[in-house]
This record gives sequence, structure tokens and C-alpha cells, in this order.
Amino acid sequence: GAVVSQHPSRVICKSGTSVKIECRSLDFQATTMFWYRQFPKKSLMLMATSNEGSKATYEQGVEKDKFLINHASLTLSTLTVTSAHPEDSSFYICSASGRRNEQFFGPGTRLTVL
Amino acid sequence: LAKTTQPISMDSYEGQEVNITCSHNNIATNDYITWYQQFPSQGPRFIIQGYKTKVTNEVASLFIPADRKSSTLSLPRVSLSDTAVYYCLVAITSGTYKYIFGTGTRLKVLA
Repeated sequence: GAVVSQHPSRVICKSGTSVKIECRSLDFQATTMFWYRQFPKKSLMLMATSNEGSKATYEQGVEKDKFLINHASLTLSTLTVTSAHPEDSSFYICSASGRRNEQFFGPGTRLTVL
Repeated sequence: LAKTTQPISMDSYEGQEVNITCSHNNIATNDYITWYQQFPSQGPRFIIQGYKTKVTNEVASLFIPADRKSSTLSLPRVSLSDTAVYYCLVAITSGTYKYIFGTGTRLKVLA
């Protein structure tokens, strides 16, 4: 399967700071990438769909000004959590979409906001 | 609110066949059903994907009835390393078109 990387794998930050998470598709070009959030013992919840060269589509209840998504190239999408607060602490996972709409997932980023 | 539901948990013994079903009433007519395995603090790992009837690969089978409102992942002979959470992922049409993960099934394989 295709390889998707995320960086960083783990980040701890102070409340009020911003954190950027990178998602890269290493061996294929992905016109569409997805960002998910997962709380402990819960399923993955779609936050937004990111299309290369256009604005991301956010799911209901996800603040676009707080979770900034940029998909500047076919292999890179970034999620920036602005002015992070403790309730933003979660496991953030990206995926890149293949030719049959199968999604290949990154390893996830564990965000802890103090 | 469209939901994609799975049993919360299942226990099995090594060597047994395990079947996990996902119900997805609002599934889009033109997209695939995909199943993933997830270990703690890792991203989901692709297991199998299908559109209809039966699909088999080296690790699992996927059974999809004609109405596609459910799907069943079959793991033929589980081992301790198959202990994980299993999710289905489908595209739904409920107002908007989007991908929804199932609620997840926590499989525990016992020796």
C-alpha cells in the first residue's frame, strides 16, 4: 500500500500556542487528503477534506479559523491548530486518497496542550 | 443522523474465524466499503476493500449483500497479534457526501 507520513508524531505545547502538523504522501500524488481527530477509545471523526490547490471543506462543528488546512502540493497537506487549548488535545490522523478512493493513513500525531 | 454501527467488542480464541459486521444504511451507491485495523496510538491500517458480493485477499474476506447496507469482515484464523480495533469506512449520502468511520469493534484474541 501507499505510504503516508506525519510529522511530528508527538507534540506537547502550552495553551495559546499554535501547532503545525504535516502530512505527506511519500510514493504517490494525492489530490485529496483528509484530516481526522480521534479521542481515547473513540472512532475517528472527520474534520475536513483537503483538495490540492483549493480551500478545505470542513465538517459541521469544526472551526475553520482554528484548524487551518493548507494543501499546497499533491504530496503535502498541513493542519495548524491555532491558539491551542487543553480541549484540543487529541490524536490527529491524516489520510491520502488513492485511485479507488481508498484512504491510506498516516501514523498519527498525538497533541497534548498543557 | 446517519450512523455506521459495529459491535463494540468481541472475544475470540486463537485459530478461530472471526466475523465483524458493520451496518451502513445511508451508504452511497457508487463508492467502496473499506475495512481497517488500528493498534493503539497508530493510524488505521488497510485490510480490504470491496464494492459488492465477496472479496478475498491474503488476510481477510469481505462479504457485501446486494443492498450494500451492511458488510462483514471475516478474519479466517486469528492470532494474538490480531488483537486490535477494526473499523469499516464508507461513503454516505445524508445531506452531503462524506466518509464516515464505523463505531469500531475491539477484538481481543485469547490464547
